[in-house]
Amino acid sequence: AQTVTQSQPEMSVQEAETVTLSCTYDTSESDYYLFWYKQPPSRQMILVIRQEAYKQQNATENRFSVNFQKAAKSFSLKISDSQLGDAAMYFCAYRSARGATNKLIFGTGTLLAVQP
Amino acid sequence: DADVTQTPRNRITKTGKRIMLECSQTKGHDRMYWYRQDPGLGLRLIYYSFDVKDINKGEISDGYSVSRQAQAKFSLSLESAIPNQTALYFCATSDLFHSSGGRNTGELFFGEGSRLTVL
Repeated sequence: AQTVTQSQPEMSVQEAETVTLSCTYDTSESDYYLFWYKQPPSRQMILVIRQEAYKQQNATENRFSVNFQKAAKSFSLKISDSQLGDAAMYFCAYRSARGATNKLIFGTGTLLAVQP
Repeated sequence: DADVTQTPRNRITKTGKRIMLECSQTKGHDRMYWYRQDPGLGLRLIYYSFDVKDINKGEISDGYSVSRQAQAKFSLSLESAIPNQTALYFCATSDLFHSSGGRNTGELFFGEGSRLTVL
């Protein structure tokens, strides 16, 4: 069975600085998707970024980028120029490309604080 | 209005009571999911459904049941609530045909969550 591990329960960053959130996963499959979701205090789950395993290029969305290391099964999220609005819980998630159930397997989350 | 709507947003109930959490969506998606979020555990899948005739158990279905009344509606029931079912519950939807370059990317679209407290 696939698992997702986020080893940093809490992180803190100064406003305008850069922070990296770690995520590792375990799978025997070669084709899958990885996601980072953001959950602000409003509770809403917001998709931040998506990476397709068959693509070697790291995904980027504005200030958010990932470092996808397929051999190491690592998928870290880098937030550049951190803003107060980035303070949230961040979840890493895995989805097999096999079949069409679209079930996501989530990590335990990293709570990010942004200091002014 | 939200594409995925959950009711109630917050509920406090007592042990042994029957509780129903409702989810409706306007995205036209065929796949719907119920997840449970607990501190330190992330989100775990309770049930999922491909259509009104196709219901599947997730990893933590014990103590829960679901009903897919229509493509747009998926409700979660706790027949006899217990305190360890206190959690934040999320409904989510997914479209088989949401694609990037012809592939199904499987993105989930979440409701705003229902916080349930069982005393």
